[in-house]
Amino acid sequence: DTAVSQTPKYLVTQMGNDKSIKCEQNLGHDTMYWYKQDSKKFLKIMFSYNNKELIINETVPNRFSPKSPDKAHLNLHINSLELGDSAVYFCASSQSTGVGEKLFFGSGTQLSVL
Amino acid sequence: AQSVAQPEDQVNVAEGNPLTVKCTYSVSGNPYLFWYVQYPNRGLQFLLKYITGDNLVKGSYGFEAEFNKSQTSFHLKKPSALVSDSALYFCAVTTSGTYKYIFGTGTRLKVLA
Repeated sequence: DTAVSQTPKYLVTQMGNDKSIKCEQNLGHDTMYWYKQDSKKFLKIMFSYNNKELIINETVPNRFSPKSPDKAHLNLHINSLELGDSAVYFCASSQSTGVGEKLFFGSGTQLSVL
Repeated sequence: AQSVAQPEDQVNVAEGNPLTVKCTYSVSGNPYLFWYVQYPNRGLQFLLKYITGDNLVKGSYGFEAEFNKSQTSFHLKKPSALVSDSALYFCAVTTSGTYKYIFGTGTRLKVLA
């Protein structure tokens, strides 16, 4: 049983298109995250939700819109895709005890914008 | 602002030799420090963490890390490297009351047979 699952695993699309990535966790965690890993493997936080409430929103273009329908799901919708959006997007989750809980990561969605 | 530095892009070590992957951090307040490992085409996997207490933390696969407050470091170590340890290693930091985990730039570990 996969703890944090993302779909799709690969996403190849044209510039200007709109696409979504879905994430689900079955760990009972109440905090979920989106991270972006670029071609140099740098990992940057994009968004975080706690109990369906947005708590972290880094300097991400407005074309990126996260949505958390419930505690177990966090989706990422991207409008008007650009070449620079090509990256691997990781979903993660943790429990929110406030004392440094570890993150559980999904296996990533490799987005290629042509 | 929180930050993490991993000064080495790559570390090469011979199988059976001890390995060290370096990490230094900067935070306001007490740090919670983590090491994660990433194998090709996979998500990050948790190795170990320091929250409080003993400065030497033991984790998965024989890895350990030493928290040094005066040097603001949290270096990852293993007494005897295996070829299967070859992967990308990330150090991360957060603090109490925040959900923001900041990751270092990663260090590629290559263990040579």
